[in-house]
Amino acid sequence: DGGITQSPKYLFRKEGQNVTLSCEQNLNHDAMYWYRQDPGQGLRLIYYSQIVNDFQKGDIAEGYSVSREKKESFPLTVTSAQKNPTAFYLCASRTHDRKHYEQYFGPGTRLTVT
Amino acid sequence: AQTVTQSQPEMSVQEAETVTLSCTYDTSESDYYLFWYKQPPSRQMILVIRQEAYKQQNATENRFSVNFQKAAKSFSLKISDSQLGDAAMYFCAYRSAPGGTSYGKLTFGQGTILTVHP
Repeated sequence: DGGITQSPKYLFRKEGQNVTLSCEQNLNHDAMYWYRQDPGQGLRLIYYSQIVNDFQKGDIAEGYSVSREKKESFPLTVTSAQKNPTAFYLCASRTHDRKHYEQYFGPGTRLTVT
Repeated sequence: AQTVTQSQPEMSVQEAETVTLSCTYDTSESDYYLFWYKQPPSRQMILVIRQEAYKQQNATENRFSVNFQKAAKSFSLKISDSQLGDAAMYFCAYRSAPGGTSYGKLTFGQGTILTVHP
């Protein structure tokens, strides 16, 4: 089955440690995205990538980093510079085909930093 | 920058009844896309319905339909014959068309929690 995989579902880290969240898609989608969701709020864009080896900052990129070395993979690293890293993180992807312009989302990773 | 506003933090409906969720947006662009996503307790984001701004006809998907008023910048979602499985958080979202300032990026509203009573 085609889809987006995010692992793990729950992640716990100590403050001051970097942590990398995985996102893999086998939909052959060109663009991939990372969003953050906090309680009672909508999704906010962290980083996005339209093609391999290229990515752009979203609205809340500070304290995060990404890479896009393969079309299928778009890992997100939450660094120790991120002041409030505890949140729900969602990965999404989209084809560049204009007829199918919607984004599809993975199941998300809940990150807790203590 | 575009903004999306959902003015109803919570809504409730009786099973089998109809409910409408409101969404307004602000943009200076003429071509764009609008979406409604559903987020059930599992937190998986599920696309409910989409609308292209250049299409005057309102989109429909089974029990879900939209009322798209481009001049008023309004994009409401109507759920007919509500079912218990419709209970979720609903998000309205905006994206520019190709060439637009935020092409590829979704801007989300704050969400509306929908409760369905049996």
